[in-house]
Amino acid sequence: KQEVTQIPAALSVPEGENLVLNCSFTDSAIYNLQWFRQDPGKGLTSLLLIQSSQREQTSGRLNASLDKSSGRSTLYIAASQPGDSATYLCAVINDYKLSFGAGTTVTVRA
Amino acid sequence: EAGVVQSPRYKIIEKKQPVAFWCNPISGHNTLYWYLQNLGQGPELLIRYENEEAVDDSQLPKDRFSAERLKGVDSTLKIQPAELGDSAVYLCASSQEGRNTDTQYFGPGTRLTVL
Repeated sequence: KQEVTQIPAALSVPEGENLVLNCSFTDSAIYNLQWFRQDPGKGLTSLLLIQSSQREQTSGRLNASLDKSSGRSTLYIAASQPGDSATYLCAVINDYKLSFGAGTTVTVRA
Repeated sequence: EAGVVQSPRYKIIEKKQPVAFWCNPISGHNTLYWYLQNLGQGPELLIRYENEEAVDDSQLPKDRFSAERLKGVDSTLKIQPAELGDSAVYLCASSQEGRNTDTQYFGPGTRLTVL
């Protein structure tokens, strides 16, 4: 069974600092990895999707890397803003099924 | 383009009562998913539909949970009877073809509280 772990569970940084969020997974036979954002009381918003053949994906201030062989992904958010405060979840897909981590809750202090 | 629509957004019921959740996926998306998200955890898949066929319901507790997608568009998830441990957020998602490479798009969820 695929196990996805996200460390740390929570993170608080001052505005302007770069954020580094980690995700690890136990089964490297994945098709892709997806990073989501979840605001309190809301659904999930897809941020980035990395195909298994890719090593990274970028969108604006967000950059996600994938090392499939070691079972790791990192989400970088540059120059954090208070609006980046949310819970970030990573998920991997095997056999049409998304397996999620528990998320990292980020607070960006103004 | 409208996103995934879910209703109700919130539901409070007494234990042993029935409850139903409704989901309308993004237009043209053939694959629909129901997830359960407990507090402080990531979502877990309950059931996946390809059009009107449930292709993966291995995680659905069939003694009290049921789901349907009769015309291959919108879907209903039902719990009967509800238990205290069913309090959670129920998320619906859809994707275009259900391929491993497809992005899943999520609705806002229904937050269920069982008293």
